[in-house]
Amino acid sequence: NAGVTQTPKFQVLKTGQSMTLQCAQDMNHNSMYWYRQDPGMGLRLIYYSASEGTTDKGEVPNGYNVSRLNKREFSLRLESAAPSQTSVYFCASSEAPSGPAHNEQFFGPGTRLTVL
Amino acid sequence: AQKVTQAQTEISVVEKEDVTLDCVYETRDTTYYLFWYKQPPSGELVFLIRRNSFDEQNEISGRYSWNFQKSTSSFNFTITASQVVDSAVYFCALSDSNSGYSTLTFGKGTMLLVSP
Repeated sequence: NAGVTQTPKFQVLKTGQSMTLQCAQDMNHNSMYWYRQDPGMGLRLIYYSASEGTTDKGEVPNGYNVSRLNKREFSLRLESAAPSQTSVYFCASSEAPSGPAHNEQFFGPGTRLTVL
Repeated sequence: AQKVTQAQTEISVVEKEDVTLDCVYETRDTTYYLFWYKQPPSGELVFLIRRNSFDEQNEISGRYSWNFQKSTSSFNFTITASQVVDSAVYFCALSDSNSGYSTLTFGKGTMLLVSP
């Protein structure tokens, strides 16, 4: 099993360009997440998808859109990239909660994005 | 709102020393989950442990141990006899009912440097 995969690994964009970050998981997880990691800031949630067909905003959703294409895939789109979106982006997945239980998330290798 | 504080930005130790990474959390919920993740220099995020709020037993896994104290809202992580391979950034994270379907609130991380 590959776990959680992300493409691309690295990307450089110019301000105003658009791009889509791809994420796929093969663990049959219901829930998927997108985080960004900035120096000294930890990881912050951008969007998540509790299950196929649903998406919700996280802590820092401005400037991003997401699509839960199917159970396996969850993409993150930057419509008009800005230098403030320079970051490392992580996708994660987890089993849906069992009652009150919150399950651990499994992370992809990350995408390092630079916006000039 | 939920919050996780890792007050130690960076810790440097010499191999074989014991080291404790602190984590203090805030939540209004009585049911919540705490996690530790490791991010080695290669960049991926590795899940280490999940603990729910009803289980205050300390846990030991090899050289790793975790001390959960609800009275002080802390979930500290100790590495015994540290090794160079333990060098990484360690994140503490919280998930509660306000977290939006098992989403994680991360601390800013503690960078651990273990020198030979």
